[in-house]
Amino acid sequence: GENVEQHPSTLSVQEGDSAVIKCTYSDSASNYFPWYKQELGKGPQLIIDIRSNVGEKKDQRIAVTLNKTAKHFSLHITETQPEDSAVYFCAAYSGSARQLTFGSGTQLTVLP
Amino acid sequence: DAGVIQSPRHEVTEMGQEVTLRCKPISGHDYLFWYRQTMMRGLELLIYFNNNVPIDDSGMPEDRFSAKMPNASFSTLKIQPSEPRDSAVYFCASSWGVSEQFFGPGTRLTVL
Repeated sequence: GENVEQHPSTLSVQEGDSAVIKCTYSDSASNYFPWYKQELGKGPQLIIDIRSNVGEKKDQRIAVTLNKTAKHFSLHITETQPEDSAVYFCAAYSGSARQLTFGSGTQLTVLP
Repeated sequence: DAGVIQSPRHEVTEMGQEVTLRCKPISGHDYLFWYRQTMMRGLELLIYFNNNVPIDDSGMPEDRFSAKMPNASFSTLKIQPSEPRDSAVYFCASSWGVSEQFFGPGTRLTVL
């Protein structure tokens, strides 16, 4: 089945700096890669996603890149703000398994 | 739309008791997922339904766990009998198509 690895597990940045979270996946048939943000006591919230026919996608301060050859994808947050502090999860959807497989999460802390 | 609704938000029970978790998906969504989140194992898919029919229950840990979806607007996850190792946050998610999933706020289950 699909295996998704996520790094780093914790990340601290100064407010205004950029943050990058990286994930790798194993199933070459995976074709959809969402990113979720989970705040304390809440469910994961979809913040951005990318499909396998696209290399990069941006939404204001958030961007995701995908390298299908290397089977890795990354989340980039620019001009970080304290409200960006949360746990971020990457995931990969495999058409063969017909399910999302989640990474282990990154605790992002933005220091004021 | 109110989003995915889960109840109860918190449940404390004693070992051996039956526990029933409830979920109301977003109206119009045809997929419903049950996940379990723990520190040790992260987010695990337990079971998912398509048009009220269970499609994949391979993630259900053992026979003590069962899930039903009697109609398009309601699903239950039942644990009988409950054990301390079942303590976790249980999330319900729904989607139109299997990929873009929207999560509920979760039920925090504590089994004493």
